[in-house]
Amino acid sequence: GAVVSQHPSRVICKSGTSVKIECRSLDFQATTMFWYRQFPKQSLMLMATSNEGSKATYEQGVEKDKFLINHASLTLSTLTVTSAHPEDSSFYICSARDRNVWAEAFFGQGTRLTVV
Amino acid sequence: DAKTTQPPSMDCAEGRAANLPCNHSTISGNEYVYWYRQIHSQGPQYIIHGLKNNETNEMASLIITEDRKSSTLILPHATLRDTAVYYCIVRVLAAGNKLTFGGGTRVLVKP
Repeated sequence: GAVVSQHPSRVICKSGTSVKIECRSLDFQATTMFWYRQFPKQSLMLMATSNEGSKATYEQGVEKDKFLINHASLTLSTLTVTSAHPEDSSFYICSARDRNVWAEAFFGQGTRLTVV
Repeated sequence: DAKTTQPPSMDCAEGRAANLPCNHSTISGNEYVYWYRQIHSQGPQYIIHGLKNNETNEMASLIITEDRKSSTLILPHATLRDTAVYYCIVRVLAAGNKLTFGGGTRVLVKP
């Protein structure tokens, strides 16, 4: 199947700093990418949907100024957690889908963010 | 997207078939049934999807009832590596359409 690469896999940062997570589709062009957050023993919660070249659409309750999403190319989307706080510690997962409407979504391996 | 209901957990024996049920009684005619699984600390992995016909691939089989209100994912010969959370999702097949995850079923394959 198609490969979605997410980097870094783990990151520890200090409170108040910003962290950028990259999501790349390696062998297909992803017109749409999705960002999820997952807390321990909980399901994935969709944060936002990003379409290449346009602004991301955020789910209700997700602060767009805190979670900056950029989808500047068909193979790369980034999520920046700005002014991170310990409560932002979580597992962040990206997903990408080919422009083909029949294609299933593929997921990155996730990024474990710990804010200390 | 219509909601799904899955049992929170189930155990199965290694080497035996694992049958994972999912209810989606409010599914619409244009919504597909998708199954993903998530092994601990990894991103979800696509397994299979279908509309109304039964489907089979190298990983699993998907059985959808005639009224489409429920489905069953079958892992024919469960291995220890199949231990994961399995998510049943229904969605319209449209470009950019998001996947909404419910609670899933935590499957533990035991030796």
